Amino acid sequence: DTGVSQNPRHKITKRGQNVTFRCDPISEHNRLYWYRQTLGQGPEFLTYFQNEAQLEKSRLLSDRFSAERPKGSFSTLEIQRTEQGDSAMYLCASSRDTDTQYFGPGTRLTVL
Amino acid sequence: DQQVKQNSPSLSVQEGRISILNCDYTNSMFDYFLWYKKYPAEGPTFLISISSIKDKNEDGRFTVFLNKSAKHLSLHIVPSQPGDSAVYFCAAKWEGAQKLVFGQGTRLTINP
Repeated sequence: DTGVSQNPRHKITKRGQNVTFRCDPISEHNRLYWYRQTLGQGPEFLTYFQNEAQLEKSRLLSDRFSAERPKGSFSTLEIQRTEQGDSAMYLCASSRDTDTQYFGPGTRLTVL
Repeated sequence: DQQVKQNSPSLSVQEGRISILNCDYTNSMFDYFLWYKKYPAEGPTFLISISSIKDKNEDGRFTVFLNKSAKHLSLHIVPSQPGDSAVYFCAAKWEGAQKLVFGQGTRLTINP
């Protein structure tokens, strides 16, 4: 059990550019979640996958955001036309048919 | 609408004493509660959880208490150790839902 991994750990981009983050969940975890955390706040839910199906999306996930989990294993989160307000820590978590979610180290995005 | 609230942004405790972190919630539909610990530049680490059918759950130095009538839960750490210095988040979910709703966090500092 190597834990949830996320890449890259840090990303600096210019406003208007597209960025993509990757999450590798704990092996055999069928559920995968994306959250966003800004300074001084707790993580906020973005979206949830069960296997390859995206079953829930937050209203925070604007049309510039898209997430995929093509084979029910790793997941990607893409942000198009980044804005300064997108600067945050993006967290991925996974679970296996339980209520406890295990988080990765996060990807810190800075939009200049 | 902040459904999960941690009203103390910070707490300072002497090493060896008890640390008590508090969390209040407004949604009576929540049926599962979790505490996470977060170090800088890392993702949240799961600590302990409790189902709404219980009022106490203990794991080593960590005990979580749930008072459903008051919509209040607390995390007790006894004895407190320097390595416990971190930001602590409480989180909640309701039955059938997958997303966690987090509080804003409490920064715990253990003084030697």
